Amino acid sequence: GAVVSQHPSRVICKSGTSVKIECRSLDFQATTMFWYRQFPKKSLMLMATSNEGSKATYEQGVEKDKFLINHASLTLSTLTVTSAHPEDSSFYICSAFPLAQSSYNEQFFGPGTRLTVL
Amino acid sequence: SQKIEQNSEALNIQEGKTATLTCNYTNYSPAYLQWYRQDPGRGPVFLLLIRENEKEKRKERLKVTFDTTLKQSLFHITASQPADSATYLCALDGGSYIPTFGRGTSLIVHP
Repeated sequence: GAVVSQHPSRVICKSGTSVKIECRSLDFQATTMFWYRQFPKKSLMLMATSNEGSKATYEQGVEKDKFLINHASLTLSTLTVTSAHPEDSSFYICSAFPLAQSSYNEQFFGPGTRLTVL
Repeated sequence: SQKIEQNSEALNIQEGKTATLTCNYTNYSPAYLQWYRQDPGRGPVFLLLIRENEKEKRKERLKVTFDTTLKQSLFHITASQPADSATYLCALDGGSYIPTFGRGTSLIVHP
């Protein structure tokens, strides 16, 4: 149980285009999902907290107009990288907490999406 | 500022030996400490959680210790196997329920 999927797993796009990444909880409902990015040999950096039915909460230094987050249902959150540039190339990972869980102790991560902007 | 330190150098050990990974932190009072495993090109997978009032936690071949005085956690894998080769991340949660991750230590188990 507690499986999180991401789509696509890998995407290559041209500079200036927008890319949408989906994060789905497959066998549980999640009111809260998190979006991280990870550079090679670096730690996971939290970008934003995605809340079902409300606006996302962005971490300091993350441009909300560039990284659009939509959490339209209890099983789906999307991250759209708008007007992507080469410096946005990274590994994007989402995580989710089951509704039934009483605390956020254990996160269930998706497999990640490798974004390469040419 | 808060800092989580994990050894950036890979740990190379022989199969069958015990691997010990270290997580040190400063300027932090975590309520929980978690360890995750991450394989290349994949998302992290939760392994163990230890609370601030716990000294040790075990799960099969895994053991985690938590010393809030030393501000350190040790992660042990006994009878290590090549399949244990991965990057291991520690994550600290101060009670906000949103953990902060270290950069991880790569473990390589040689057959």
